Amino acid sequence: AQRVTQPEKLLSVFKGAPVELKCNYSYSGSPELFWYVQYSRQRLQLLLRHISRESIKGFTADLNKGETSFHLKKPFAQEEDSAMYYCALRYSSASKIIFGSGTRLSIRP
Amino acid sequence: DTGVSQDPRHKITKRGQNVTFRCDPISEHNRLYWYRQTLGQGPEFLTYFQNEAQLEKSRLLSDRFSAERPKGSFSTLEIQRTEQGDSAMYLCASSSESLTDTQYFGPGTRLTVL
Repeated sequence: AQRVTQPEKLLSVFKGAPVELKCNYSYSGSPELFWYVQYSRQRLQLLLRHISRESIKGFTADLNKGETSFHLKKPFAQEEDSAMYYCALRYSSASKIIFGSGTRLSIRP
Repeated sequence: DTGVSQDPRHKITKRGQNVTFRCDPISEHNRLYWYRQTLGQGPEFLTYFQNEAQLEKSRLLSDRFSAERPKGSFSTLEIQRTEQGDSAMYLCASSSESLTDTQYFGPGTRLTVL
């Protein structure tokens, strides 16, 4: 069955430190991978997707098919990065998204 | 039209009562999804519409749950004979038939069953 695993419930780092939020998935095909973010009192929104291969708000994520991972990284954390982050996959467009359980990122000043 | 809207934002009900939630997607989005999110978990898929056709339902959607999208615009999700285990955030998302098919989420309806 398709599954997304985020091993860390909470990640706390100091401002300016590097950030890496881990994500592993299980799926036999070639899924599309996403990172969604939810800031305090805001709705869930797309942060980035692997097919775009772009950097959003300084975040990047590389799909590693060998390790079935899609870790989210940022070299220098900022206080405004504090939020809930969800890794997710879907196996085709017009299909459901399968979410991980989320990692709360807390940036300390 | 500033995004997906959901109504009500909060609903408190007693066990055994029926509740209905509404979702208004972004205009011109022909795809609509319902998800449920419980504390400490990510959203879980419930059902999906393309226009007015309900194309997929999760096994999470018991017989007490029904969703409709009669005119291919807004959608309703009804829960009959609510149980305490139904307490959750119910999220709606919409997308358009495009290359990216990005799903845009609403603010959610928080249901509390006493």
